[in-house]
Amino acid sequence: AQSVAQPEDQVNVAEGNPLTVKCTYSVSGNPYLFWYVQYPNRGLQFLLKYITGDNLVKGSYGFEAEFNKSQTSFHLKKPSALVSDSALYFCAVRDPTRWGYSSASKIIFGSGTRLSIRP
Amino acid sequence: NAGVTQTPKFRVLKTGQSMTLLCAQDMNHEYMYWYRQDPGMGLRLIHYSVGEGTTAKGEVPDGYNVSRLKKQNFLLGLESAAPSQTSVYFCASSPRTSGQQETQYFGPGTRLLVL
Repeated sequence: AQSVAQPEDQVNVAEGNPLTVKCTYSVSGNPYLFWYVQYPNRGLQFLLKYITGDNLVKGSYGFEAEFNKSQTSFHLKKPSALVSDSALYFCAVRDPTRWGYSSASKIIFGSGTRLSIRP
Repeated sequence: NAGVTQTPKFRVLKTGQSMTLLCAQDMNHEYMYWYRQDPGMGLRLIHYSVGEGTTAKGEVPDGYNVSRLKKQNFLLGLESAAPSQTSVYFCASSPRTSGQQETQYFGPGTRLLVL
């Protein structure tokens, strides 16, 4: 079965410092991995995804994530945090070998990590 | 281009009442989804649709029904609301194009309280 874990409920970082939001996954095949961000009272917004290719993926708002197959991780990173980065971040995974490459995206979401950037 | 919109934004129901949540998208996407978001549990897929006139069950379908009579609309129905259905409901859509189908676009959510 596919699953995704975000081990930290909350991450606190000072503005200007680097940030990391952790994500680990479990799938039977090669995963499709995603990060979404949710600002207060808003829907989720897509940040970035890993499908294939380069393990380092760059996304919106200066975020990037590194796919590490041996550690089954897909941590979200940013070199210098901004107060406006404060939000709820969700990691998600899909196993295309289970659901098919042309089927609808049955994505499994993690429980979310609240990122708080202090000025 | 409004993207994905949801109606209503907030609703209070009494146990046993029924209601329908409306999701509309103007991006001509083939796939549409309904999720519920509960504290500490992330998003869970209720039902989804791969095209007009087709629907399928997701992870937590019990107590909900859906319909996709038009490509741009995806309706979520609660026939007899229960307090356990108190949640925030999100609709999403994605295109069918290979590779692009993986990116989902979300609506702003509907907050439902069942008393």
